[in-house]
Amino acid sequence: AQTVTQSQPEMSVQEAETVTLSCTYDTSESDYYLFWYKQPPSRQMILVIRQEAYKQQNATENRFSVNFQKAAKSFSLKISDSQLGDAAMYFCAYRSAGYALNFGKGTSLLVTP
Amino acid sequence: NAGVTQTPKFQVLKTGQSMTLQCAQDMNHEYMSWYRQDPGMGLRLIHYSVGAGITDQGEVPNGYNVSRSTTEDFPLRLLSAAPSQTSVYFCASSFYSNQPQHFGDGTRLSIL
Repeated sequence: AQTVTQSQPEMSVQEAETVTLSCTYDTSESDYYLFWYKQPPSRQMILVIRQEAYKQQNATENRFSVNFQKAAKSFSLKISDSQLGDAAMYFCAYRSAGYALNFGKGTSLLVTP
Repeated sequence: NAGVTQTPKFQVLKTGQSMTLQCAQDMNHEYMSWYRQDPGMGLRLIHYSVGAGITDQGEVPNGYNVSRSTTEDFPLRLLSAAPSQTSVYFCASSFYSNQPQHFGDGTRLSIL
């Protein structure tokens, strides 16, 4: 079974600064997909960004970008120009074809003014 | 579009009771999944389905049953509720397995 590890239970960043959340995964498959989800206190699960393993180019969505290192099985999320609204739990997730999501345990991000 | 709708939003049960958590989606998605979220554990997969009539177990299936008679609905049944099943339950769906899943708002379930 694939495992997803988020080694930072909590992170803190000042408003307007940049923060990087770490994620590593274990798999023997070559075709898979990686995601970052955000869960604010409202409990909603919100997709932040996705990455296909076959794509070498790192995904970017506005202030959010990833550093995907396939050989190292690493998938970190960088948040630039952090805003108070970015405070939330962030989950890294892995998905292989024909299956559902495997989640990490999450990183709680605190944004300070 | 309503997206993924979960009912109820909150429920309190007594040990040994049974109940069904409902999940419906109106996006014609083939893939549907149930997860439970416990503090410090992230989301763990209970059961999933890749289409009507097809279901399979996830990481933590014990104590739960599912069926998928239609594309739209994927109910989760607790056969005999136990305090260890106190959790927040999420249903999610996607059209293809390479797509991100859309999540419902969750059901907070307490077993006394």
